[in-house]
Amino acid sequence: EAGVAQSPRYKIIEKRQSVAFWCNPISGHATLYWYQQILGQGPKLLIQFQNNGVVDDSQLPKDRFSAERLKGVDSTLKIQPAKLEDSAVYLCASSLTGLAGGRYEQYFGPGTRLTVT
Amino acid sequence: LAKTTQPISMDSYEGQEVNITCSHNNIATNDYITWYQQFPSQGPRFIIQGYKTKVTNEVASLFIPADRKSSTLSLPRVSLSDTAVYYCLVGDMGGSARQLTFGSGTQLTVLP
Repeated sequence: EAGVAQSPRYKIIEKRQSVAFWCNPISGHATLYWYQQILGQGPKLLIQFQNNGVVDDSQLPKDRFSAERLKGVDSTLKIQPAKLEDSAVYLCASSLTGLAGGRYEQYFGPGTRLTVT
Repeated sequence: LAKTTQPISMDSYEGQEVNITCSHNNIATNDYITWYQQFPSQGPRFIIQGYKTKVTNEVASLFIPADRKSSTLSLPRVSLSDTAVYYCLVGDMGGSARQLTFGSGTQLTVLP
């Protein structure tokens, strides 16, 4: 079974530039998550999709971050304009379902390491 | 949101059993306890999940006392490749993942 795919793996940009990350979840997984992981900390949820609808985006800095999941499959996360404090690893994860209760295993991709200079 | 407390770091030697305890005093009735493992430059990987008593799979065991205010992840006979950060998450599996706070985790270092 193919895992969660993310691209690019690494990105270096200057502050105030824009950047986009792409995620392809495991086939059949209805729920998709974007996390931000700052060095030395655990992942922090940015946004959660159920199919192509947003379940929770309360921790997404909406003045500069946006995310979409068209057709309920692939997703993109965009930052515009980037700030120095956005330097982090951006992780995408998927699960069969996040709203039905019971076992709730998230499968994570390798992440995109963003450096803002 | 259920807050979790784990040791920042632990050291062990190859072949030993490692127990990592997580405290979650305000766990709610509907909350499950889930553990993830993360290697450098990789995303977290699910290890085990439980609600009460004991759960065992091919890689670990999870012990949960009757009051559910803590849980212990047990890794039998660790090897160097078990060196990683281990996260304890507590939350209602039927809601937003925002409540599944990863925290800073426990850095386990296995020594030869």
